[in-house]
Amino acid sequence: QKEVEQNSGPLSVPEGAIASLNCTYSDRGSQSFFWYRQYSGKSPELIMSIYSNGDKEDGRFTAQLNKASQYVSLLIRDSQPSDSATYLCAVRSGGGADGLTFGKGTHLIIQP
Amino acid sequence: NAGVTQTPKFQVLKTGQSMTLQCAQDMNHNSMYWYRQDPGMGLRLIYYSASEGTTDKGEVPNGYNVSRLNKREFSLRLESAAPSQTSVYFCASSEALAGGASPLHFGNGTRLTVT
Repeated sequence: QKEVEQNSGPLSVPEGAIASLNCTYSDRGSQSFFWYRQYSGKSPELIMSIYSNGDKEDGRFTAQLNKASQYVSLLIRDSQPSDSATYLCAVRSGGGADGLTFGKGTHLIIQP
Repeated sequence: NAGVTQTPKFQVLKTGQSMTLQCAQDMNHNSMYWYRQDPGMGLRLIYYSASEGTTDKGEVPNGYNVSRLNKREFSLRLESAAPSQTSVYFCASSEALAGGASPLHFGNGTRLTVT
């Protein structure tokens, strides 16, 4: 059973601070890793993807991957109230057409 | 750009009734997926279609059937709805690049209640 684990939260962060979201996965053969943001009552939207060890930055977002530790993280710099949402970590273990395995999500609250 | 379109947005069924959830994508993606999302359970894969003409079971296929009608359309059918199938259903599509480097693009969801 492939598993993706996230702390459900809520994680409360002051406006302007760095929010750090973490995710671990069980399948060592996993190849592709994604972070989605989901607002209440809406569909998941892609924030970041990462495929190799290290950091990947896109604007205020940085994804970090450590395959040896089976660990993925998402940093949000200069957090804004509009960043308040549930963040879903997703992993693909198999081929290009296989579905993603999702964590249950971390509920992030940015306090003004 | 429509992306992934799901119909209906909301549906209420009585136990034992049947219905089909429709999904269409206009991104020329090869692969399509059906997920359900329940509180505390996260998103779980029901069925997927790697390419036109193929379908495969996901994590929670029992009680569902799917049809990949053509490259654009992928439908999910509940033959005899049960209260346990009350959920939010998301359709998604993916380019399915080699090596797994393609994300899923989601539709807006169908909120289904079975009484």
